Amino acid sequence: RKEVEQDPGPFNVPEGATVAFNCTYSNSASQSFFWYRQDCRKEPKLLMSVYSSGNEDGRFTAQLNRASQYISLLIRDSKLSDSATYLCVVKDGGTSYGKLTFGQGTILTVHP
Amino acid sequence: SAVISQKPSRDICQRGTSLTIQCQVDSQVTMMFWYRQQPGQSLTLIATANQGSEATYESGFVIDKFPISRPNLTFSTLTVSNMSPEDSSIYLCSVQSGLTYEQYFGPGTRLTVT
Repeated sequence: RKEVEQDPGPFNVPEGATVAFNCTYSNSASQSFFWYRQDCRKEPKLLMSVYSSGNEDGRFTAQLNRASQYISLLIRDSKLSDSATYLCVVKDGGTSYGKLTFGQGTILTVHP
Repeated sequence: SAVISQKPSRDICQRGTSLTIQCQVDSQVTMMFWYRQQPGQSLTLIATANQGSEATYESGFVIDKFPISRPNLTFSTLTVSNMSPEDSSIYLCSVQSGLTYEQYFGPGTRLTVT
């Protein structure tokens, strides 16, 4: 079983749609969780950290369920510029140190 | 977040040669990391580089193949030694924020080995 598993996609949605990505992780000791966005031929950029209480940043909402070892990302009112690969990332160990383990990524294409 | 630069941005190298990739950060950071992203794949951690100590390598990566230097708190190098076509990949450095512990990535070095 992969350490971090994501919906492979690709997801093709029209502008304005709501889309949700799911992710599961295998290490119950994982401490920190993130969503990164990677555009084609670019480096990953941090989209948002995921907190136990869930968090929202504009059109983006992230949820964490530690009991189920499950992370989600919801994008509302999709824009063309949201087209990218979304990477679910899990950090082991404490907040001061821990390697990042990346999921394979979910490709999102938003079309007019 | 820190501003991270890498050199070179891309290179085409012959098998058997070595390439040293530089990573420069605009602020002092304790922890720097080197990742590899093979074509069509996600990122894999190669090693963690802390200033003043030996790099810590992940399973499957060895110092002889990927020697790392970390001479100060703003700079690190990764060398890809004795290259083969299987080393063709994007190599990225990242730094960890001392406040939030989030990681930020450099633009990457796209390496092609022929």
